[in-house]
Amino acid sequence: QVQLQESGPGLVKPSETLSLTCTVSGYSIRSNYYWGWIRQPPGKGLEWIGSIYHGGYTYYNPSLKSRVTISVDTSKNQFSLRLSSVTAADTAVYYCASVDHSSGNPYFDYWGQGTLVTVSS
Amino acid sequence: ETVMTQSPATLSVSPGERATLSCRASQSVSSKLAWYQQKPGQAPRLLMYGASTRATGIPVRFSGSGSGTEFTLTISSLQSEDFAVYFCQQYNNWPPVTFGPGTKVDIK
Repeated sequence: QVQLQESGPGLVKPSETLSLTCTVSGYSIRSNYYWGWIRQPPGKGLEWIGSIYHGGYTYYNPSLKSRVTISVDTSKNQFSLRLSSVTAADTAVYYCASVDHSSGNPYFDYWGQGTLVTVSS
Repeated sequence: ETVMTQSPATLSVSPGERATLSCRASQSVSSKLAWYQQKPGQAPRLLMYGASTRATGIPVRFSGSGSGTEFTLTISSLQSEDFAVYFCQQYNNWPPVTFGPGTKVDIK
């Protein structure tokens, strides 16, 4: 079974870049991949940040596109999120998740436990 | 962007009763709709995709229906572990994938 685990700083200063990594176990990213990042501000709903597909194709939420980069490191079986120029509005629990591999349809069948990132000076 | 709405915001139900949750899309999403369950402090869990297909390991008391713009998630007989927040998500008109604001199912 696929397992995902987010890691990265829990506190980021305003205007800096948020960087998170998702380590995948139980599945080799090298063989094929469809992955995504979703966030949830405290007490609020879910917001899709973006997804990366096999071959390196990336899809981003237009509301965040200018600030987001998602990439894959097959040698480490990890994928990563970078969000630049953060503000307090970017404070949220960030989840990495697996896109359904059988169809490639962007719903999410496996999720990491989530990591809270707070933007504050 | 396809805007998803859910009703009601909160649903109070007694254990053993039936719960019916609604999700509406601002434009047709065909049958490309997923449902998730989220308990406090946990990640969302996929319940349903394709509007009516249960994900692996999901009990049969959960069922989904609808297509186009109107969808329903039904829990036939609520168990204690079903009290949670439920989100719908469309994946037909993307990017962006969009989620509804959620329905909280709590104990009556």
